Amino acid sequence: GAGVSQSPSNKVTEKGKDVELRCDPISGHTALYWYRQSLGQGLEFLIYFQGNSAPDKSGLPSDRFSAERTGGSVSTLTIQRTQQEDSAVYLCASSLSMGSGELFFGEGSRLTVL
Amino acid sequence: GENVEQHPSTLSVQEGDSAVIKCTYSDSASNYFPWYKQELGKGPQLIIDIRSNVGEKKDQRIAVTLNKTAKHFSLHITETQPEDSAVYFCAASDTGGYQKVTFGIGTKLQVIP
Repeated sequence: GAGVSQSPSNKVTEKGKDVELRCDPISGHTALYWYRQSLGQGLEFLIYFQGNSAPDKSGLPSDRFSAERTGGSVSTLTIQRTQQEDSAVYLCASSLSMGSGELFFGEGSRLTVL
Repeated sequence: GENVEQHPSTLSVQEGDSAVIKCTYSDSASNYFPWYKQELGKGPQLIIDIRSNVGEKKDQRIAVTLNKTAKHFSLHITETQPEDSAVYFCAASDTGGYQKVTFGIGTKLQVIP
């Protein structure tokens, strides 16, 4: 598979539970982004990784949200104590390197918090 | 930080007509302006981009224009077809920095056969 892979594609959880969303970027892409897309809304920036470092975490909505990236590859976005307002599609994208331009998006993980 | 405004939020056109989507940005350091198309249930996909040293770029039925002085850029789709129906996002970034890409809110385009 040559594209960005995200899992799970769909997740339904109960309020208060923790969830983990996974992103497997295109091999060799050093930059990785997480965005959130709520119903009828645009793409809300969450966090950006260059390699394993996250120079900009300013988009994380609260301290319940965290993300990590290991080995310069797979990234995990964790949401603790989920709330109903966390329901959204979480999109991951990667790009070849900093400043290279095009973002390649996965198909997203749709999170529903009941 | 950068702020990108996009309009209209929805647009309906008859097949064969043209569609225009407009965006403005706030950060004069931004120098890269991509446009993404998102089909239902999929992630956004780059369709065309323009850099700040160019005023216009064309690729078959789509074209983008950039006015750096006014901080405006636009997407033009000619001879629209039903398969052009999708959500379109404009974006801006500073490729000299760490390339945080800021997106507009999106335009839902419907092409009526």
